[in-house]
Amino acid sequence: EIVLTQSPATLPLSPGERATLSCRASQSVSGYLAWYQQVPGRPPRLLIYDTSYRATGVPVRFRGSGSGTDFTLTISSLEPEDFAIYYCQQRANWPQTFGGGTRVEL
Amino acid sequence: EVQMVESGGGLVKPGGSLRLSCAVSGFTFSSYSMNWVRQAPGKGPELVASISSQSGYIKYVDSVKGRFTISRDNANNTLFLEMNNLTVDDTGIYYCARETAFTGTDSWGQGTLVTVSS
Repeated sequence: EIVLTQSPATLPLSPGERATLSCRASQSVSGYLAWYQQVPGRPPRLLIYDTSYRATGVPVRFRGSGSGTDFTLTISSLEPEDFAIYYCQQRANWPQTFGGGTRVEL
Repeated sequence: EVQMVESGGGLVKPGGSLRLSCAVSGFTFSSYSMNWVRQAPGKGPELVASISSQSGYIKYVDSVKGRFTISRDNANNTLFLEMNNLTVDDTGIYYCARETAFTGTDSWGQGTLVTVSS
């Protein structure tokens, strides 16, 4: 199965700052890479699918990029509600797999 | 509005069984593939099982093969997960999730907690 490695594990930042999260795949995922946001006690919420497409209702400050095995989620200017855990996920191969997550914290 | 409500979780001893349900509304259930995804405490999500819209395609992750059975009732808009011979490693929140060919796993229920402990 494809292993996704996220870095850093924790990202301490302040509101208004830029967040850059990384996800590396053990083999090519052909662009089928998604990003999810999870607030404690809530289910994951789809932010980005297929590398760079924002899901319905997702603010433009969230941007996905990358190709092959290396992908990035950028949050241009952190809002208070953005402090959460972010997971990448691939759906190129069965089974879909998730990374271990990056916690964006104050 | 898309809604998925899981039920059936609880505390069970190792070797025990549970049957999870996911009641769906707000979309045409019979047109979508569905997944069960679990999340152990402090860990990332893990896909457990998938079923296509008409149940013609069913797959399981290796760790649950032979123990878990996914099924669906399109007439009653409900997804199921039968879990047998449970182990402590099966502990976690179990989510039902909608799968689309275009956007992938795009909607999740609120989850139901399964705790396997003696």
